[in-house]
Amino acid sequence: DVKVTQSSRYLVKRTGEKVFLECVQDMDHENMFWYRQDPGLGLRLIYFSYDVKMKEKGDIPEGYSVSREKKERFSLILESASTNQTSMYLCASSPNWVARGYTFGSGTRLTVV
Amino acid sequence: AQSVAQPEDQVNVAEGNPLTVKCTYSVSGNPYLFWYVQYPNRGLQFLLKYITGDNLVKGSYGFEAEFNKSQTSFHLKKPSALVSDSALYFCAVRDRNRNNNDMRFGAGTRLTVKP
Repeated sequence: DVKVTQSSRYLVKRTGEKVFLECVQDMDHENMFWYRQDPGLGLRLIYFSYDVKMKEKGDIPEGYSVSREKKERFSLILESASTNQTSMYLCASSPNWVARGYTFGSGTRLTVV
Repeated sequence: AQSVAQPEDQVNVAEGNPLTVKCTYSVSGNPYLFWYVQYPNRGLQFLLKYITGDNLVKGSYGFEAEFNKSQTSFHLKKPSALVSDSALYFCAVRDRNRNNNDMRFGAGTRLTVKP
């Protein structure tokens, strides 16, 4: 089975800190995605990448950046964490065939204090 | 751009009764449609998908969904609900005519099945 691993289940960070959320997949998928999940808003796409060193903005990229130096790893960076970035962050991957769904990681619950 | 609407925040059913979780979508082209389920403190798990062919799609755990192009809907159904079906359900859409592989999700519907 494809596995998508997010390095932390829970994180608590202080306002203004630079925060790194890591995601690794083990099935050679081309595409990787970062979403944030908030009650009543569902999943909102932050950034995605369809190849190494490639990135595309999603619907809510402000305050975030990403890095994909290797195919299996996709990092989400909060340049200067703020309390409104407290959320559940979900990473997902998929192969290039558009008809395939995503495989999700277990999520990282980030609290910014 | 593609989008999904799940009109109900919450659905409550009694165990053994049929359940329906509603989803409507909007895409410029033809859709690929998906349902995912999320249990507490977990990521999303794939339930089923519509790609092409038969409008009635069967998936995991006895769930099924019906694609209705004229109503742009993809409602999730199960003939007999279980307490263990209680979870958060997300509908999602991809536009098959777009080159990008990004998917859009609905806001989610919390299903509660009472004994």
